[in-house]
Amino acid sequence: NAGVTQTPKFQVLKTGQSMTLQCAQDMNHNSMYWYRQDPGMGLRLIYYSASEGTTDKGEVPNGYNVSRLNKREFSLRLESAAPSQTSVYFCASRLREAAQPQHFGDGTRLSIL
Amino acid sequence: QKEVEQNSGPLSVPEGAIASLNCTYSDRGSQSFFWYRQYSGKSPELIMSIYSNGDKEDGRFTAQLNKASQYVSLLIRDSQPSDSATYLCAGNSQGAQKLVFGQGTRLTINP
Repeated sequence: NAGVTQTPKFQVLKTGQSMTLQCAQDMNHNSMYWYRQDPGMGLRLIYYSASEGTTDKGEVPNGYNVSRLNKREFSLRLESAAPSQTSVYFCASRLREAAQPQHFGDGTRLSIL
Repeated sequence: QKEVEQNSGPLSVPEGAIASLNCTYSDRGSQSFFWYRQYSGKSPELIMSIYSNGDKEDGRFTAQLNKASQYVSLLIRDSQPSDSATYLCAGNSQGAQKLVFGQGTRLTINP
């Protein structure tokens, strides 16, 4: 049982390049989330998808786009990468009921030069 | 005001002692709370969930919830160096579609 799988694990980009981070879960969860984590900043929600076919902005959506491809997959795209987007990105998923916790992937470490 | 507040620490506790981590929240509609542990360079890992007022124990961990005072705490008994990590508190209002995370408390257990 893989849980939440993120690819790639590491990536270095040049400013202005584009990139898609992939996330897939095999737990039949309804909701999926993308966070970034910077030193001393905690987890900040970028976008989320409460259910297949819906996406909503979190607290830091600028510079990002998302696609909920199907129930299993939720991708995050950087159209024109900037050094300020250097961060660790975590994908998470959960069952939609409010009492359920989120389960996280291992993260993608992204550096923008 | 952040909806979930934690003291960022660092909190330093001697090995074998009780580590006490605290979290307050502002949304009175919050129904469920979670504690995650995050080792340096790793992803957050769920260690405790609590939904009702009172205490919930799981091994060396005890989560406490007081909805009247709007705080959640995590006690770690017989602290071990392997407990050194950042602990994240998260809350979810009934019907809300996402968790709200605190900034995390960095805990160091000194041998």
